Amino acid sequence: AQTVTQSQPEMSVQEAETVTLSCTYDTSESDYYLFWYKQPPSRQMILVIRQEAYKQQNATENRFSVNFQKAAKSFSLKISDSQLGDAAMYFCAYRSSQGGSEKLVFGKGTKLTVNP
Amino acid sequence: DGGITQSPKYLFRKEGQNVTLSCEQNLNHDAMYWYRQDPGQGLRLIYYSQIVNDFQKGDIAEGYSVSREKKESFPLTVTSAQKNPTAFYLCASSMGFPYNEQFFGPGTRLTVL
Repeated sequence: AQTVTQSQPEMSVQEAETVTLSCTYDTSESDYYLFWYKQPPSRQMILVIRQEAYKQQNATENRFSVNFQKAAKSFSLKISDSQLGDAAMYFCAYRSSQGGSEKLVFGKGTKLTVNP
Repeated sequence: DGGITQSPKYLFRKEGQNVTLSCEQNLNHDAMYWYRQDPGQGLRLIYYSQIVNDFQKGDIAEGYSVSREKKESFPLTVTSAQKNPTAFYLCASSMGFPYNEQFFGPGTRLTVL
């Protein structure tokens, strides 16, 4: 079974600075998808960024980018120019590419605090 | 606006009672999911459905039941057999395989009194 580990329960960053959240996963599959979700205090889960394992290029969405290291099974999220609205829980998630295996496997999350 | 709605936002239940959480989507998505979130934990899958009239158990299905009579609706019943039902419940939907993004509703907070 696949597992996802987020080793940083809490992180903090100064506004306008850069922060990196770590995620490692365990799988025997060669093709899969990885996601970062944001959960603000409203508790609505919001998709931040996704990465297909077959793509070597790291995904980027505005101020959010990932460092995908397939051999190391590592998928970190970098937030640049941090804003107060980035404060939230961040969850890393894994999804198999095999048909019928549609569930997301989540890590336990990292609470990000942004200091003004 | 397209989206996923969950109701109610807060739900209180006495021990021994069954309760049903509503989840509706107007995104025309084929697949729908129910997750449970406990403090300090990630989300865990309860049930999912890829098409109407079909659903599969997730990792923690015991004490829960679902139905999928319409594409738009995927209600979750928390039965009295669920020993620790107090949690935050999130519903999600996706277009189904091979599309992989799941979109989430705002959630229901269930408290057992």
